[in-house]
Amino acid sequence: NAGVTQTPKFQVLKTGQSMTLQCAQDMNHEYMSWYRQDPGMGLRLIHYSVGAGITDQGEVPNGYNVSRSTTEDFPLRLLSAAPSQTSVYFCASSYTNPNNEQFFGPGTRLTVL
Amino acid sequence: GEDVEQSLFLSVREGDSSVINCTYTDSSSTYLYWYKQEPGAGLQLLTYIFSNMDMKQDQRLTVLLNKKDKHLSLRIADTQTGDSTIYFCAETHGSSNTGKLIFGQGTTLQVKP
Repeated sequence: NAGVTQTPKFQVLKTGQSMTLQCAQDMNHEYMSWYRQDPGMGLRLIHYSVGAGITDQGEVPNGYNVSRSTTEDFPLRLLSAAPSQTSVYFCASSYTNPNNEQFFGPGTRLTVL
Repeated sequence: GEDVEQSLFLSVREGDSSVINCTYTDSSSTYLYWYKQEPGAGLQLLTYIFSNMDMKQDQRLTVLLNKKDKHLSLRIADTQTGDSTIYFCAETHGSSNTGKLIFGQGTTLQVKP
């Protein structure tokens, strides 16, 4: 199993550009989520999904869209990038049983100029 | 809203015990977790505790939970230089698991030889 994979690893955007961060998992996990990590802060939840076709907002959803058309993939879209979205983005997945471990991807480091 | 607080830095000598502390506000949290993050990598689950437990031991790791004070701690026995990294506590959001985790800011553990 590859686990949770994220692409790209690094990305630089100009303000106003759009892009999609990719996340895929091959563990047949129902639950997937996106977090952002900023210096001196923990991870903050952006959006999450408890299964294909179901998504919901986390703590900091503004400026981001998600969709979950398959169990495996959970892309995160930035429609019009802003410097405040400069961050490291982590995707995670797990089964939805309460004590199940969330598996994290390696992260995407995004810089918006 | 929910909040999780950690001290930002802890320094210990190799061979000593390390105790990393965390406080949280959501009294309905079901599970509380400790993750670690190596430089440039995603988070990795170390251990977790169910909210009706007081203590959980897993090899060198001991988790203590004081539910009355909403205080969680992670004790690492015989700390080694390889334990130097960032540790995050996290709680589930509310009483049901949708995979939503609220993270603390992370504690950087420095282990001096």
